[in-house]
Amino acid sequence: EVQLVESGGGLVQPGGSLRLSCATSGFVLSDYYIDWVRQAPGMGLEWLARTRNKANGYSTEYAASVKGRFTISRDDSRSSVYLQMNSLKTEETAIYYCSRRSEISGTYHFDHWGQGTVVTVSS
Amino acid sequence: DIQMTQSPSTLSASVGDRVTITCRASQSINSLLTWYQQKPGKAPKVLIYKASNLESGVPSRFSGSGSGTEFTLTISSLQPDDFATYYCQQHETYPLTFGGGTKVEVQ
Repeated sequence: EVQLVESGGGLVQPGGSLRLSCATSGFVLSDYYIDWVRQAPGMGLEWLARTRNKANGYSTEYAASVKGRFTISRDDSRSSVYLQMNSLKTEETAIYYCSRRSEISGTYHFDHWGQGTVVTVSS
Repeated sequence: DIQMTQSPSTLSASVGDRVTITCRASQSINSLLTWYQQKPGKAPKVLIYKASNLESGVPSRFSGSGSGTEFTLTISSLQPDDFATYYCQQHETYPLTFGGGTKVEVQ
């Protein structure tokens, strides 16, 4: 069974840092792209970052809103993906989800999601 | 960035109704559009990928159509389990972007 489990959320002060983890199981992580998506309270979904698979050199993409402050990384040996978040702002209070991109040829949707981890940025 | 505009933002309907949600992209995204369903306190769940392909395990009352810049999600006969929020997402260009969501509520 494919599973993604986020952890590492919590309360952090504005300007602070937090590192989120996404533990995966049920599939070979190195074969897959993994993304982070967030959802502020009562709001819609916002894509944040992507790490491509081994075949694509583990390259990364970021949303402009987080580029330079957030870093996505992965450790396939630990079946985990991380999101290092620095210089956090109050408006980044949200549920943070990791998701797996489908590897069925020609499809690009997120076929599995974690349950999310809550990040609260407040003084 | 490609803007994804969903309409309506809220839809009131009854069990058995046919429901249609529209998603418009600010530029062509070919067919690289996905529809997700999200219930309160839960992660999104994929319904339709590549505009018109039904995800495995999703009831056949859900269907998707469209290409280019205009897409629709149709629920042929609304069921009690379908009251939720629906999002479209484009996968054509970075940054990946979502529509603002359509909440389907009980009339």
